Amino acid sequence: QVTLRESGPALVKPTQTLTLTCTFSGFSLSTSGMCVSWIRQPPGKALEWLVRIDWDDDKYYSTSLKTRLTISKDTSKNQVVLTMTNMDPVDTATYYCARSSSGSYSDFDYWGQGTLVTVSS
Amino acid sequence: QSVLTQPPSVSGAPGQRVTISCTGSGSNIGAGFDVHWYQQLPGTAPKLLIYANSNRPSGVPDRFSGSKSGTSASLAITGLQAEDEADYYCQSFDSSLSGSLFGGGTKLTVL
Repeated sequence: QVTLRESGPALVKPTQTLTLTCTFSGFSLSTSGMCVSWIRQPPGKALEWLVRIDWDDDKYYSTSLKTRLTISKDTSKNQVVLTMTNMDPVDTATYYCARSSSGSYSDFDYWGQGTLVTVSS
Repeated sequence: QSVLTQPPSVSGAPGQRVTISCTGSGSNIGAGFDVHWYQQLPGTAPKLLIYANSNRPSGVPDRFSGSKSGTSASLAITGLQAEDEADYYCQSFDSSLSGSLFGGGTKLTVL
């Protein structure tokens, strides 16, 4: 049974750095083809893909947010960590982690429940 | 602004058929990358509905179907039910962005 769960602060101040952790089970991120992405959704708005880390530690970033994002994985802990610097109120959103099992172009077959992050002073 | 364009809303009466379009370009759908569809019920995480253009994951009713042609894709829902009221998103890969992208989403209202 594949599960993913996001964790992190619900509230951050402008200019602060956000750190979110995705803890997963039911698969290994060292298995060929496995990837974990972060996707966000501002309240009432569309989904936006942010970043992906692959089984071979390759990383792919949204071009619009590349300078602010860092993704890493700890295979032994089954965790993926996202950091986003210089947070702004427009970054208020529900942040999801999601799995892909067939490489770069594949679908997101399992999603976490999401964690709402509010950016406010 | 999404690179994949969806109508903001569609509606239909119970039992009817509705379609949702997803229009891309030569760097994503037109380049041959697969299109995937997600259903997002209010207050929940998206759920994979159609993968690789026209395939249904286990448990998804065959009332849902997908197709792709050229630079566009479509999701069709037949025998509309009240429980189908949700937001629907298409997703693909874009070679110019070197990453995944989502459509702007379509809100389905069951009248």
